[in-house]
Amino acid sequence: AQSVTQPDIHITVSEGASLELRCNYSYGATPYLFWYVQSPGQGLQLLLKYFSGDTLVQGIKGFEAEFKRSQSSFNLRKPSVHWSDAAEYFCAVLYNFNKFYFGSGTKLNVKP
Amino acid sequence: EAGVTQFPSHSVIEKGQTVTLRCDPISGHDNLYWYRRVMGKEIKFLLHFVKESKQDESGMPNNRFLAERTGGTYSTLKVQPAELEDSGVYFCASSQEVAGANVLTFGAGSRLTVL
Repeated sequence: AQSVTQPDIHITVSEGASLELRCNYSYGATPYLFWYVQSPGQGLQLLLKYFSGDTLVQGIKGFEAEFKRSQSSFNLRKPSVHWSDAAEYFCAVLYNFNKFYFGSGTKLNVKP
Repeated sequence: EAGVTQFPSHSVIEKGQTVTLRCDPISGHDNLYWYRRVMGKEIKFLLHFVKESKQDESGMPNNRFLAERTGGTYSTLKVQPAELEDSGVYFCASSQEVAGANVLTFGAGSRLTVL
């Protein structure tokens, strides 16, 4: 069965510090992987996606993610966090080209 | 380009009442999806329309939920009668197929609170 695990419910980092949000998936075939972000009062915004090719993908707002098939992981990273990055982040895998399975989300707090 | 619009943003109703949520997708997007997030849990798929047809409704919890997309434009999701466990945030998303995989654009969600 398809599933996505985000083991960290809450993470707090200081502004300017680096960030890594973890995501592990369970999926039988080659996955299509996504990271979405939701800021308060906003919809889910696509940060980046992996379909194939280079396993390190770049996204918007300075985020990147690395697909590691051997670890079934797709961790999200940012070298230097800004206060505006405080939000909730969701990892997702696309099944059968149409159905998304999401993780339960990681809430990011940024300390000044 | 206008995004995906959902209405209402928040609805508070009593158990047993009826609520209708509306979603206006991005113009020209044939694919429309409903997802739901119960507090603190993952966002779960409810159903998928292609134009006015239900492509996949395997995620609909029970027959108290009815989704429609008349004319293939906006969609409504009606909950009748509402139960406490229906509380959550209902997201709508739309897409056009891109490279064999659909990249979804989500609305801001409709928060439903059932008392």
